[in-house]
Amino acid sequence: ETGVTQSPTHLIKTRGQQVTLRCSSQSGHNTVSWYQQALGQGPQFIFQYYREEENGRGNFPPRFSGLQFPNYSSELNVNALELDDSALYLCASSLPGTEKLFFGSGTQLSVL
Amino acid sequence: GQQLNQSPQSMFIQEGEDVSMNCTSSSIFNTWLWYKQDPGEGPVLLIALYKAGELTSNGRLTAQFGITRKDSFLNISASIPSDVGIYFCAGPRGSGNTGKLIFGQGTTLQVKP
Repeated sequence: ETGVTQSPTHLIKTRGQQVTLRCSSQSGHNTVSWYQQALGQGPQFIFQYYREEENGRGNFPPRFSGLQFPNYSSELNVNALELDDSALYLCASSLPGTEKLFFGSGTQLSVL
Repeated sequence: GQQLNQSPQSMFIQEGEDVSMNCTSSSIFNTWLWYKQDPGEGPVLLIALYKAGELTSNGRLTAQFGITRKDSFLNISASIPSDVGIYFCAGPRGSGNTGKLIFGQGTTLQVKP
């Protein structure tokens, strides 16, 4: 059984650029959620994907978007990067009907 | 809106000591979760609580679901150096949501050998 894997592990971008982060869910998990964790804070819910559709969104602007693929892997896209987007982006997979999330190690994004 | 407040913000203890931390909310939660995050890693689920008054253990860790459903507690007995990390409480956003969690701001634990 493979765990949740994220790529890349680190990324440096400049303000205004676009970024794509990738996530492979744990084997058998068809639900993927994305979280943003600023330094010294707890993770904040961005959105969730289930059956390739967005299934709930937190308080994030539309320039944060995502995709889920038939193999349950997922992408997080952020357009028009801002300095405040610098954070650890965490992907978590789960089975439907459970609050138990399994997190990847995250992608550390720095926006300069 | 829903918000979780954790205390203390940080703790520095001697190896072998017991640790207590808590999480409170102004809203009722039907599920409480406790996660631990090591540096450079994602959070790992420690304990999940589903019923008011429930007391659940996982090795040296014990967590309780408060009777009011507005708080939860985590205790670590006989701390060891590998207990170092950030401990987060979490609960579901809204009602009936799944996998969409609100997290507290965390309690940072440091253990002196």
